[in-house]
Amino acid sequence: QITLKESGPTLVKPTQTLTLTCNFSGFSISTSGVGVAWIRQPPGKALEWLALIYWDGDKRYSPSLKRRLTITQDTSKSQVVLTMTNMGPVDTGTYYCAHRRPITHGTFDIWGQGTVVTVS
Amino acid sequence: DVQMTQSPSTLSASVGDRVTITCRASLTVSDWLAWYQQKPGRAPKLLIYRASTLESGVPSRFSGSGSDTEFTLTISSLQPDDFATYYCQQYNDYWTFGQGTKVEIK
Repeated sequence: QITLKESGPTLVKPTQTLTLTCNFSGFSISTSGVGVAWIRQPPGKALEWLALIYWDGDKRYSPSLKRRLTITQDTSKSQVVLTMTNMGPVDTGTYYCAHRRPITHGTFDIWGQGTVVTVS
Repeated sequence: DVQMTQSPSTLSASVGDRVTITCRASLTVSDWLAWYQQKPGRAPKLLIYRASTLESGVPSRFSGSGSDTEFTLTISSLQPDDFATYYCQQYNDYWTFGQGTKVEIK
């Protein structure tokens, strides 16, 4: 059974850097085709994809946020970490990590419960 | 960037109604289109992928259709558990979500 769980600070100050950790189980990020993504959702608004890291270390970032994001993986710890620099009030919201199904053009089939981040 | 536009933004319906939500892509995404259901305070749940393939465990009253730039999600007979917000997502070119359609009780 695949599970993911996000963790990180609930409150950050403007201009600070946010670091979020996704701990997962039930799969190996070394398995061909696997990926782990980060998605966020401001209060009452739509979902926004942020970043994804593939099993081979390849990374993809949202073009609009690329300069502020870094995604890394720790295979030994079954963790994926997202950092976002220069946080502002508009970055307030729920941040989710999700498992990318390991097939060609895979989408996000399993999500974590989300972690709420407030910038103030 | 591929933009996804859903309509309507809000839909009022009754239990037993047939409900249809539309999603349009600004560029062709072939059939790399997914639908998610989200309830308040919960993570999104994958319902349909590749435009029309039902995710395992999802009731058969949900169905998807379309290709290229026009897609629909249909709920054949709305059940109490179906009142939620629905998002389309393209995954042909990175990943982009629509703005969501809230299905509320009429």
